[in-house]
Amino acid sequence: GAVVSQHPSWVICKSGTSVKIECRSLDFQATTMFWYRQFPKQSLMLMATSNEGSKATYEQGVEKDKFLINHASLTLSTLTVTSAHPEDSSFYICSARGLGLGNEQFFGPGTRLTVL
Amino acid sequence: GESVGLHLPTLSVQEGDNSIINCAYSNSASDYFIWYKQESGKGPQFIIDIRSNMDKRQGQRVTVLLNKTVKHLSLQIAATQPGDSAVYFCAEKNQAGTALIFGKGTTLSVSS
Repeated sequence: GAVVSQHPSWVICKSGTSVKIECRSLDFQATTMFWYRQFPKQSLMLMATSNEGSKATYEQGVEKDKFLINHASLTLSTLTVTSAHPEDSSFYICSARGLGLGNEQFFGPGTRLTVL
Repeated sequence: GESVGLHLPTLSVQEGDNSIINCAYSNSASDYFIWYKQESGKGPQFIIDIRSNMDKRQGQRVTVLLNKTVKHLSLQIAATQPGDSAVYFCAEKNQAGTALIFGKGTTLSVSS
């Protein structure tokens, strides 16, 4: 139980285009979802926290107009990287916390974004 | 600011040895800590957690020790196996208690 999936697992795009990454909780309702970014050989950096039906809370230094987060349902959150540039190339990981599942965050497998 | 860090970026052990991975945290008000394992190209995998009202917690082959006096957390892996090779992160709640802050990670390499 408590499985989180991400789609796509990897994506390559041209500079200037937008890319959408989906995060789904497969067998539980996710009241809160988190988006992290991880550069090679570095730790996970929290980008934003989103609660279903409300606007995401972004961490300091994360551009909300560049990284659009939508958490429209209890099982789906999306991260859209707008006007992507090579420096946005990274590993994007989502996690979710669910109703009745305590404090534990369940992590997705990550999405590797490469911007050419 | 908030920060969670690890003492050593890499640790190399022989199969069968015990491994100890350390972490220092800065927020003395933190009340919940987690250890994660991350294999290459994958998301973090929960290993074990501990609350601040405990000093020690044991799981299968893993033990987490918490020393609140010096704000130090450690993960002990018994009889380390090649499958344990991964990057290990400690994490704590942020000050708002709404999200997790990850440390820098220790890469564990297990040789046969």
